[in-house]
Amino acid sequence: ETGVTQTPRHLVMGMTNKKSLKCEQHLGHNAMYWYKQSAKKPLELMFVYNFKEQTENNSVPSRFSPECPNSSHLFLHLHTLQPEDSALYLCASSPLDRGGLTEAFFGQGTRLTVV
Amino acid sequence: GIQVEQSPPDLILQEGANSTLRCNFSDSVNNLQWFHQNPWGQLINLFYIPSGTKQNGRLSATTVATERYSLLYISSSQTTDSGVYFCAVERSSSNTGKLIFGQGTTLQVKP
Repeated sequence: ETGVTQTPRHLVMGMTNKKSLKCEQHLGHNAMYWYKQSAKKPLELMFVYNFKEQTENNSVPSRFSPECPNSSHLFLHLHTLQPEDSALYLCASSPLDRGGLTEAFFGQGTRLTVV
Repeated sequence: GIQVEQSPPDLILQEGANSTLRCNFSDSVNNLQWFHQNPWGQLINLFYIPSGTKQNGRLSATTVATERYSLLYISSSQTTDSGVYFCAVERSSSNTGKLIFGQGTTLQVKP
């Protein structure tokens, strides 16, 4: 079992659909993140949650709605997406311990295709 | 914001060869990680190395924080080393764990 688990691994959705991506971490970390990896672009941070509180929103359109019910779970709710939102969505977690390790670990990713 | 530049962008090696990948960054950092992205998209942690030198089998890494660069060494490369290698940093002034990624180096190891 990996430390960070994402479901589903693949998702195809229409532009009028509503779907959710799920991320779960088993590492006891207090911070969780959503990153987006589009073709030919570097990974870009979307959202940061620290102890369930959103601490950063990197100018992400409102059609992406994150939810963090507790320190172990993170969701990304999707609605009325555009074809250009097709990408690999990666979840990560880290201990965010200012006095020690801040190493981030990533899940396997969800490959999203919007049709 | 901080800039992260990786070189070379692409690298083709014969199995058994050695290689060095470079990561330059434009500001002071408190976190630097090297990842290998496998064909299925998952980022595999290679090194957490904000400074100093570490080794793990055929891989080693060195970060010279004062000169703002890091190097990843791959020795005796194998076909399974193929994939994309990313360097990612967090600025020292950041308090969110936000990682900024380079564009990656795509490595192909031929048998």
